[in-house]
Amino acid sequence: AQTVTQSQPEMSVQEAETVTLSCTYDTSESDYYLFWYKQPPSRQMILVIRQEAYKQQNATENRFSVNFQKAAKSFSLKISDSQLGDAAMYFCALINAGGTSYGKLTFGQGTILTVHP
Amino acid sequence: GAVVSQHPSWVICKSGTSVKIECRSLDFQATTMFWYRQFPKQSLMLMATSNEGSKATYEQGVEKDKFLINHASLTLSTLTVTSAHPEDSSFYICSADARSSYEQYFGPGTRLTVT
Repeated sequence: AQTVTQSQPEMSVQEAETVTLSCTYDTSESDYYLFWYKQPPSRQMILVIRQEAYKQQNATENRFSVNFQKAAKSFSLKISDSQLGDAAMYFCALINAGGTSYGKLTFGQGTILTVHP
Repeated sequence: GAVVSQHPSWVICKSGTSVKIECRSLDFQATTMFWYRQFPKQSLMLMATSNEGSKATYEQGVEKDKFLINHASLTLSTLTVTSAHPEDSSFYICSADARSSYEQYFGPGTRLTVT
């Protein structure tokens, strides 16, 4: 079975600063996808960024970027120029592209991000 | 982008009654839909996987007779909480698999309160 671990229950950052959220995972599959989702107070899950395991290049979406270390099974999210609207709970998640758990998202415990003005 | 709706967004019911939650994919066909449960400040817990035209697959520990799932069409899945009790109070979220990128599209969630 696959696991996703977020070891930071809460993080805080000053507006306009940079913050990094940590995530480690474990899976026996060689083909998988990794995601960061944001859940604001509205509780609507919003996809922030995705990474295909077979791609060595780190994914980037505007102010959001990841540091994907496949050998270390690490997938951290960096938020640059933090904004008040970035305040939310962030979830790291993994989907296996094969195996018995094919298509099922496994979530980490989540990290609550607070942005201070 | 792909949109998933849920109805109702908030429901209050009395203990012992049943309540149905609908999940619809509005602009795409979803072969597979997923139902999650989330407690405050906690992660999403997968309850079941719903495939159109077949029986849902429940995760270990989820009572299939309490949480009835029906996926009657490629755009609609329903979750019925039967004989609800206060401990069933939670936030229920559905998602749909668009099959194009392993990405799941999430509904806005339904808050269930059982009194």
